[in-house]
Amino acid sequence: DADVTQTPRNRITKTGKRIMLECSQTKGHDRMYWYRQDPGLGLRLIYYSFDVKDINKGEISDGYSVSRQAQAKFSLSLESAIPNQTALYFCATSYGGYTGELFFGEGSRLTVL
Amino acid sequence: KNEVEQSPQNLTAQEGEFITINCSYSVGISALHWLQQHPGGGIVSLFMLSSGKKKHGRLIATINIQEKHSSLHITASHPRDSAVYICAVGEASNYQLIWGAGTKLIIKP
Repeated sequence: DADVTQTPRNRITKTGKRIMLECSQTKGHDRMYWYRQDPGLGLRLIYYSFDVKDINKGEISDGYSVSRQAQAKFSLSLESAIPNQTALYFCATSYGGYTGELFFGEGSRLTVL
Repeated sequence: KNEVEQSPQNLTAQEGEFITINCSYSVGISALHWLQQHPGGGIVSLFMLSSGKKKHGRLIATINIQEKHSSLHITASHPRDSAVYICAVGEASNYQLIWGAGTKLIIKP
């Protein structure tokens, strides 16, 4: 099994629908991140969490929310999806912040029609 | 101007060639990451370094803190090395990672 698992891997939805992307990890890492990737652009940070009670906005948090249900689980929600949220979403984990190795999930491809 | 610049954006080479991908950055950093993204989309960490040089198999990463520059080298390149290589820097003043746009590498047989 993968160390960082994302579900669903692919999702097509309609404008206005609520979508949840889920991430679970078996690394035992304290830090978890949600990133968005668009063609030709670098990864952009949506939210990050240093532990269950510590959740922080990244550079593009508008239109998104997150929940850290446990150390191993970090979910990303789009309350009312819009077409420009069509992207590839990655969950990642690390230990010790950005001086620690990053571990990524396989990605969740979201299409909003 | 982007804080992390990678060059080249695209690189096509023949199998066996020595490959160099460059990353320049403009901020003070605590660490620099090199990652690989395969055509299927998955991202794998290759190196994390804050000084000097690291080697893993045919891959070598170097960093020059004074010049704010890092290179990723691939020796004896192989078609399976075809991927997007991404540089990211951990900014020293905060917890943010700044990502390069990636270098798309194609190795032809």
